[in-house]
Amino acid sequence: DQQVKQNSPSLSVQEGRISILNCDYTNSMFDYFLWYKKYPAEGPTFLISISSIKDKNEDGRFTVFLNKSAKHLSLHIVPSQPGDSAVYFCAASVYGGSQGNLIFGKGTKLSVKP
Amino acid sequence: EAGVAQSPRYKIIEKRQSVAFWCNPISGHATLYWYQQILGQGPKLLIQFQNNGVVDDSQLPKDRFSAERLKGVDSTLKIQPAKLEDSAVYLCASSSTSGIYNEQFFGPGTRLTVL
Repeated sequence: DQQVKQNSPSLSVQEGRISILNCDYTNSMFDYFLWYKKYPAEGPTFLISISSIKDKNEDGRFTVFLNKSAKHLSLHIVPSQPGDSAVYFCAASVYGGSQGNLIFGKGTKLSVKP
Repeated sequence: EAGVAQSPRYKIIEKRQSVAFWCNPISGHATLYWYQQILGQGPKLLIQFQNNGVVDDSQLPKDRFSAERLKGVDSTLKIQPAKLEDSAVYLCASSSTSGIYNEQFFGPGTRLTVL
């Protein structure tokens, strides 16, 4: 059973527009969430994170929103750029559980068209 | 700062053969992780080390997979014997601490193809 779900395998967006990537989770014990970005033939790189005590975290063009009651988080990229084209993974962990063990979703492939 | 190094980058073997992967984490990072990423899936944790001790190996298929981290630095992951379903990218990651809100840094991975 998947504890972290990214239901959209792919997303295509025009350059300059907003990209919204969604993630749902089932384990109410998760209290820390991260987004990783992955280019082909490279390992995932950390993008942005949010702890469960917050509902929003912003870093430049990237904002993550957390809705704990809905067990849903989203990553907003504004404005989207062609260099943002990559696979985005949502990940979650339980502090004090497996000491940092990350549970990943299947990823969403974002394509930003010039 | 040098990133997480992994070798080889690609490996093709026949089923029932053995294979080993190597990882050198970021200098000073006490925690090291091995993940398996099957095509179309997210990375799945196989084993986590804190220094040279195993913290979590609950998802490691111990009948065929083994891993060690001698001296608390480099690590090797071995598969013996390999099965077709082991075809995947094997990612190594490291972090400076464990158990708190830590960022994991990933290496480029080793793509294994089992024929």
